[in-house]
Amino acid sequence: DTAVSQTPKYLVTQMGNDKSIKCEQNLGHDTMYWYKQDSKKFLKIMFSYNNKELIINETVPNRFSPKSPDKAHLNLHINSLELGDSAVYFCASSQAPGSGYEQYFGPGTRLTVT
Amino acid sequence: GNSVTQMEGPVTLSEEAFLTINCTYTATGYPSLFWYVQYPGEGLQLLLKATKADDKGSNKGFEATYRKETTSFHLEKGSVQVSDSAVYFCALPSSGSARQLTFGSGTQLTVLP
Repeated sequence: DTAVSQTPKYLVTQMGNDKSIKCEQNLGHDTMYWYKQDSKKFLKIMFSYNNKELIINETVPNRFSPKSPDKAHLNLHINSLELGDSAVYFCASSQAPGSGYEQYFGPGTRLTVT
Repeated sequence: GNSVTQMEGPVTLSEEAFLTINCTYTATGYPSLFWYVQYPGEGLQLLLKATKADDKGSNKGFEATYRKETTSFHLEKGSVQVSDSAVYFCALPSSGSARQLTFGSGTQLTVLP
């Protein structure tokens, strides 16, 4: 029954590795997002997809590559992980504009790069 | 673009104290305004929202009024509980086509018994 789910919840890996985070929403929303939360709790948008099309790509290193196989899924692949990538990554979805762009968030994936 | 400025934290209160967390915004037009809450180790949950000027959002004893005159959306609760300890974020949609949320810096609230 979870509206927005993410896997894994925790990810510990070494520098230089490649990893993926998966996100699924069962709300029927058209738009999905990836946000990054740093150690000071600051939240910043990374990517946004609408109906499987990329509509936002903020100044994120190209080691980060989102993929949306369908409207309900948005995955995040990260190549050549660096220490600075350690953060909590949140997936979110919305059904704009009817709800005023209210977004529903997943539980987050805590990535630790050692 | 749209932005929010949120009261710096952390905030520490005793149980049953009155809470105010200030939030002011800069926006094109009158977008919806949101307060999200993040409990320890969890994701963000929508706490309340207001979709137009003078609207009051409320939930779980929290309230916030969309004031266009002062461009503010302050969060208030009359009597906080230990279980309210969390990080609170003010947010609004961007002015771009994707309408991603722009968040304030977050305010850590700790309520002591």
